[in-house]
Amino acid sequence: EIQMTQSPSSLSASVGDSVTISCRASQSISTYLNWYQQKPGKAPNLLLYAASTLESGVPSRFSGSGSGTDFTLTISSLQPEDSATYYCQQSYTTPQTFGQGTKVEIK
Amino acid sequence: QVQLVESGGGVVQPGGSLRVSCAASGFRFSSYGMNWVRQSPGKGLEWVASIHYAGKIKYYADSVKGRITISRDNSKNTLYLEMNSLRAEDTAVYYCVRLELRRGAFDIWGQGTMVTVSS
Repeated sequence: EIQMTQSPSSLSASVGDSVTISCRASQSISTYLNWYQQKPGKAPNLLLYAASTLESGVPSRFSGSGSGTDFTLTISSLQPEDSATYYCQQSYTTPQTFGQGTKVEIK
Repeated sequence: QVQLVESGGGVVQPGGSLRVSCAASGFRFSSYGMNWVRQSPGKGLEWVASIHYAGKIKYYADSVKGRITISRDNSKNTLYLEMNSLRAEDTAVYYCVRLELRRGAFDIWGQGTMVTVSS
């Protein structure tokens, strides 16, 4: 089973800040990496797939990069509505494992 | 619109059984692989099971193998999760999720159904 490790577990930033979340896979997964956003009491929502492709309707302030084992999610100008927990997920092999999540709070 | 609606959650005693369902609408259900993903209270996401679009291939997480069965009825646009020998650690919100194969991602999620295992 491929382990996915996110860092940090939580962060607090101000509106307008740029924030970066890291995700590391325990073995190479090429670019089979997805990012999801989950707000309290809601189901997760797909943000990016294939490491860097923005899902339709997702604001362009979200971007992703990386390949192999190291990936990042960047929010270029943090907005109040971005307060949520973010999960990475590898789709390279079954089981499709998730990172433990990064909670983003607005100062 | 594209929608997944889960039902059937509830409270069940340890060792008991429960079947949850997921009704799909707004897309050709029979063309998509489907999954169940769960989330224990205050915890992260855990993939539970997946099923091929035609139902011929199924995969399970080690944590539920032998106790949980995923199935589908394409004539009814419905996905099922049959859970037996339930344990306290199975307590979670269970999400029905569509796999978009071309993108390799879970693109549509239901609202979830809560399963509580407690005496």
